[in-house]
Amino acid sequence: EDQVTQSPEALRLQEGESSSLNCSYTVSGLRGLFWYRQDPGKGPEFLFTLYSAGEEKEKERLKATLTKKESFLHITAPKPEDSATYLCAVQVDNYGQNFVFGPGTRLSVLP
Amino acid sequence: KAGVTQTPRYLIKTRGQQVTLSCSPISGHRSVSWYQQTPGQGLQFLFEYFSETQRNKGNFPGRFSGRQFSNSRSEMNVSTLELGDSALYLCASSLEIGTPGEQYFGPGTRLTVT
Repeated sequence: EDQVTQSPEALRLQEGESSSLNCSYTVSGLRGLFWYRQDPGKGPEFLFTLYSAGEEKEKERLKATLTKKESFLHITAPKPEDSATYLCAVQVDNYGQNFVFGPGTRLSVLP
Repeated sequence: KAGVTQTPRYLIKTRGQQVTLSCSPISGHRSVSWYQQTPGQGLQFLFEYFSETQRNKGNFPGRFSGRQFSNSRSEMNVSTLELGDSALYLCASSLEIGTPGEQYFGPGTRLTVT
Protein backbone atom coordinates (compact mmCIF):
# COMPACT_ATOMS: atom_id res chain seq x y z
CA GLU A 1 0.00 0.00 0.00
CA ASP A 2 1.25 3.46 -0.89
CA GLN A 3 2.19 5.41 2.24
CA VAL A 4 3.54 8.84 3.08
CA THR A 5 4.76 9.77 6.54
CA GLN A 6 6.00 13.09 7.84
CA SER A 7 8.13 14.00 10.83
CA PRO A 8 8.10 15.62 13.20
CA GLU A 9 4.37 15.94 13.79
CA ALA A 10 4.91 19.41 15.26
CA LEU A 11 7.91 21.70 15.47
CA ARG A 12 8.49 24.90 17.40
CA LEU A 13 11.37 27.13 16.35
CA GLN A 14 12.68 30.49 17.43
CA GLU A 15 12.83 33.12 14.72
CA GLY A 16 16.07 32.60 12.81
CA GLU A 17 16.54 29.00 13.98
CA SER A 18 16.94 26.84 10.85
CA SER A 19 15.59 23.28 10.67
CA SER A 20 14.32 20.56 8.34
CA LEU A 21 11.04 18.72 7.88
CA ASN A 22 11.02 15.14 6.63
CA CYS A 23 8.68 13.33 4.24
CA SER A 24 9.20 9.58 3.76
CA TYR A 25 7.30 7.59 1.17
CA THR A 26 6.68 4.01 0.17
CA VAL A 27 4.97 3.90 -3.20
CA SER A 28 4.77 1.53 -6.12
CA GLY A 29 5.71 4.08 -8.73
CA LEU A 30 6.52 7.71 -8.04
CA ARG A 31 5.55 10.24 -10.67
CA GLY A 32 6.21 13.29 -8.52
CA LEU A 33 6.52 14.63 -4.97
CA PHE A 34 4.89 17.89 -3.92
CA TRP A 35 5.11 20.23 -0.96
CA TYR A 36 2.20 22.41 0.13
CA ARG A 37 1.70 24.94 2.88
CA GLN A 38 -1.67 25.17 4.67
CA ASP A 39 -2.74 27.99 6.94
CA PRO A 40 -5.62 27.47 9.40
CA GLY A 41 -9.01 27.69 7.71
CA LYS A 42 -7.52 27.77 4.22
CA GLY A 43 -6.81 25.33 1.44
CA PRO A 44 -3.26 24.09 0.77
CA GLU A 45 -0.96 26.40 -1.17
CA PHE A 46 1.42 24.81 -3.67
CA LEU A 47 5.13 25.26 -2.94
CA PHE A 48 7.29 22.80 -4.92
CA THR A 49 7.25 19.87 -7.32
CA LEU A 50 10.14 17.37 -7.39
CA TYR A 51 10.32 14.59 -9.96
CA SER A 52 13.61 12.74 -9.58
CA ALA A 53 16.18 11.87 -6.92
CA GLY A 54 18.79 14.57 -6.53
CA GLU A 55 16.47 17.36 -7.60
CA GLU A 56 16.33 20.53 -5.49
CA LYS A 57 14.00 23.54 -5.56
CA GLU A 58 14.26 26.83 -3.66
CA LYS A 59 11.85 29.61 -2.83
CA GLU A 60 12.78 32.38 -0.41
CA ARG A 61 13.66 30.68 2.91
CA LEU A 62 12.51 27.24 1.76
CA LYS A 63 14.48 24.55 -0.04
CA ALA A 64 13.12 21.13 -0.98
CA THR A 65 15.25 18.10 -1.80
CA LEU A 66 14.41 14.58 -2.97
CA THR A 67 16.04 11.17 -2.59
CA LYS A 68 14.70 7.77 -3.61
CA LYS A 69 12.92 7.28 -0.29
CA GLU A 70 12.38 10.71 1.22
CA SER A 71 12.20 14.43 0.79
CA PHE A 72 13.32 17.23 3.04
CA LEU A 73 11.99 20.75 3.36
CA HIS A 74 14.75 22.93 4.75
CA ILE A 75 13.75 26.20 6.36
CA THR A 76 16.54 28.75 6.72
CA ALA A 77 16.24 31.59 9.23
CA PRO A 78 12.45 31.22 9.56
CA LYS A 79 10.15 34.10 10.40
CA PRO A 80 6.83 34.00 12.32
CA GLU A 81 4.93 34.23 9.02
CA ASP A 82 6.36 30.83 8.06
CA SER A 83 4.15 29.27 10.75
CA ALA A 84 1.78 26.83 9.04
CA THR A 85 1.20 23.15 8.41
CA TYR A 86 3.46 21.78 5.69
CA LEU A 87 2.04 18.90 3.67
CA CYS A 88 3.88 16.47 1.47
CA ALA A 89 2.09 14.59 -1.32
CA VAL A 90 3.11 11.99 -3.87
CA GLN A 91 1.62 11.22 -7.24
CA VAL A 92 1.75 7.49 -7.91
CA ASP A 93 1.36 5.38 -11.01
CA ASN A 94 -1.49 3.05 -10.07
CA TYR A 95 -4.82 4.06 -11.51
CA GLY A 96 -7.53 5.06 -9.08
CA GLN A 97 -5.52 6.78 -6.38
CA ASN A 98 -2.93 9.02 -7.88
CA PHE A 99 -2.50 11.49 -5.01
CA VAL A 100 -1.42 10.44 -1.52
CA PHE A 101 -0.87 13.08 1.15
CA GLY A 102 1.18 12.84 4.34
CA PRO A 103 -0.32 13.90 7.69
CA GLY A 104 1.64 17.15 7.73
CA THR A 105 4.08 18.91 10.05
CA ARG A 106 2.70 21.77 12.12
CA LEU A 107 5.39 24.46 12.28
CA SER A 108 5.34 27.31 14.79
CA VAL A 109 7.97 30.05 14.59
CA LEU A 110 8.17 32.19 17.69
CA PRO A 111 9.36 35.82 17.54
CA LYS B 1 -7.61 36.39 -11.68
CA ALA B 2 -10.20 34.86 -9.36
CA GLY B 3 -9.17 31.78 -7.40
CA VAL B 4 -11.07 28.58 -6.76
CA THR B 5 -14.36 29.24 -5.02
CA GLN B 6 -16.39 26.81 -2.98
CA THR B 7 -19.91 27.11 -1.68
CA PRO B 8 -21.17 26.94 0.93
CA ARG B 9 -18.26 27.58 3.30
CA TYR B 10 -19.99 26.00 6.28
CA LEU B 11 -22.74 23.42 6.49
CA ILE B 12 -24.47 21.55 9.29
CA LYS B 13 -26.47 18.43 8.42
CA THR B 14 -28.14 15.57 10.27
CA ARG B 15 -27.26 11.89 9.92
CA GLY B 16 -29.11 10.29 7.03
CA GLN B 17 -29.47 13.49 5.03
CA GLN B 18 -27.67 14.22 1.81
CA VAL B 19 -25.56 17.21 0.85
CA THR B 20 -24.28 18.86 -2.33
CA LEU B 21 -21.14 20.97 -2.40
CA SER B 22 -20.14 23.25 -5.24
CA CYS B 23 -16.79 24.24 -6.71
CA SER B 24 -15.94 26.81 -9.37
CA PRO B 25 -12.40 26.37 -10.75
CA ILE B 26 -10.03 29.06 -11.90
CA SER B 27 -11.04 30.35 -15.31
CA GLY B 28 -9.51 28.18 -18.01
CA HIS B 29 -8.83 25.23 -15.72
CA ARG B 30 -10.46 22.04 -16.93
CA SER B 31 -9.53 19.56 -14.20
CA VAL B 32 -11.22 19.56 -10.80
CA SER B 33 -10.26 17.29 -7.90
CA TRP B 34 -12.02 16.79 -4.58
CA TYR B 35 -10.38 15.93 -1.25
CA GLN B 36 -11.60 15.17 2.25
CA GLN B 37 -9.52 16.47 5.17
CA THR B 38 -9.98 15.24 8.74
CA PRO B 39 -7.71 15.44 11.80
CA GLY B 40 -7.45 11.66 11.98
CA GLN B 41 -7.01 10.70 8.32
CA GLY B 42 -5.47 13.86 6.92
CA LEU B 43 -6.07 14.85 3.33
CA GLN B 44 -7.57 12.06 1.21
CA PHE B 45 -8.27 12.07 -2.50
CA LEU B 46 -11.90 11.57 -3.47
CA PHE B 47 -12.04 11.93 -7.25
CA GLU B 48 -10.89 13.95 -10.23
CA TYR B 49 -12.98 15.21 -13.13
CA PHE B 50 -11.84 16.33 -16.54
CA SER B 51 -14.03 17.23 -19.49
CA GLU B 52 -17.17 16.24 -17.57
CA THR B 53 -15.83 12.69 -16.96
CA GLN B 54 -14.56 11.13 -13.76
CA ARG B 55 -10.95 10.17 -14.53
CA ASN B 56 -9.63 9.02 -11.14
CA LYS B 57 -11.28 7.85 -7.95
CA GLY B 58 -10.03 7.33 -4.39
CA ASN B 59 -11.07 4.69 -1.88
CA PHE B 60 -14.40 6.09 -0.75
CA PRO B 61 -17.81 4.38 -0.66
CA GLY B 62 -20.38 4.94 -3.37
CA ARG B 63 -22.23 7.43 -1.14
CA PHE B 64 -19.69 9.94 -2.40
CA SER B 65 -20.29 11.03 -5.95
CA GLY B 66 -19.61 14.00 -8.14
CA ARG B 67 -20.07 15.53 -11.52
CA GLN B 68 -18.61 18.22 -13.70
CA PHE B 69 -20.46 20.56 -15.99
CA SER B 70 -19.49 21.85 -19.42
CA ASN B 71 -18.15 25.08 -17.88
CA SER B 72 -15.83 22.96 -15.65
CA ARG B 73 -17.76 23.78 -12.50
CA SER B 74 -18.12 20.73 -10.30
CA GLU B 75 -20.37 19.42 -7.59
CA MET B 76 -19.93 16.61 -5.14
CA ASN B 77 -22.74 14.83 -3.38
CA VAL B 78 -22.73 12.77 -0.22
CA SER B 79 -25.85 10.71 0.44
CA THR B 80 -26.98 9.10 3.70
CA LEU B 81 -24.61 11.19 5.79
CA GLU B 82 -22.74 9.57 8.66
CA LEU B 83 -21.07 11.23 11.64
CA GLY B 84 -17.69 10.27 10.19
CA ASP B 85 -18.36 12.39 7.12
CA SER B 86 -17.73 15.52 9.18
CA ALA B 87 -14.71 17.07 7.53
CA LEU B 88 -13.28 19.88 5.48
CA TYR B 89 -13.99 19.20 1.81
CA LEU B 90 -11.47 20.79 -0.51
CA CYS B 91 -11.70 21.35 -4.21
CA ALA B 92 -8.63 21.92 -6.37
CA SER B 93 -8.36 22.92 -10.01
CA SER B 94 -5.61 22.59 -12.57
CA LEU B 95 -5.22 23.27 -16.26
CA GLU B 96 -4.95 19.65 -17.27
CA ILE B 97 -5.46 16.26 -15.70
CA GLY B 98 -2.85 14.54 -13.53
CA THR B 99 -0.79 17.62 -12.71
CA PRO B 100 -1.06 17.87 -8.92
CA GLY B 101 1.88 20.21 -8.66
CA GLU B 102 -0.13 22.84 -10.43
CA GLN B 103 -3.26 22.38 -8.37
CA TYR B 104 -4.85 25.43 -6.78
CA PHE B 105 -7.04 24.74 -3.79
CA GLY B 106 -10.19 26.51 -2.72
CA PRO B 107 -10.89 27.50 0.90
CA GLY B 108 -12.98 24.39 1.50
CA THR B 109 -16.45 23.61 2.80
CA ARG B 110 -16.62 22.70 6.47
CA LEU B 111 -19.30 19.99 6.84
CA THR B 112 -20.55 19.03 10.28
CA VAL B 113 -22.84 16.03 10.62
CA THR B 114 -24.84 15.78 13.85
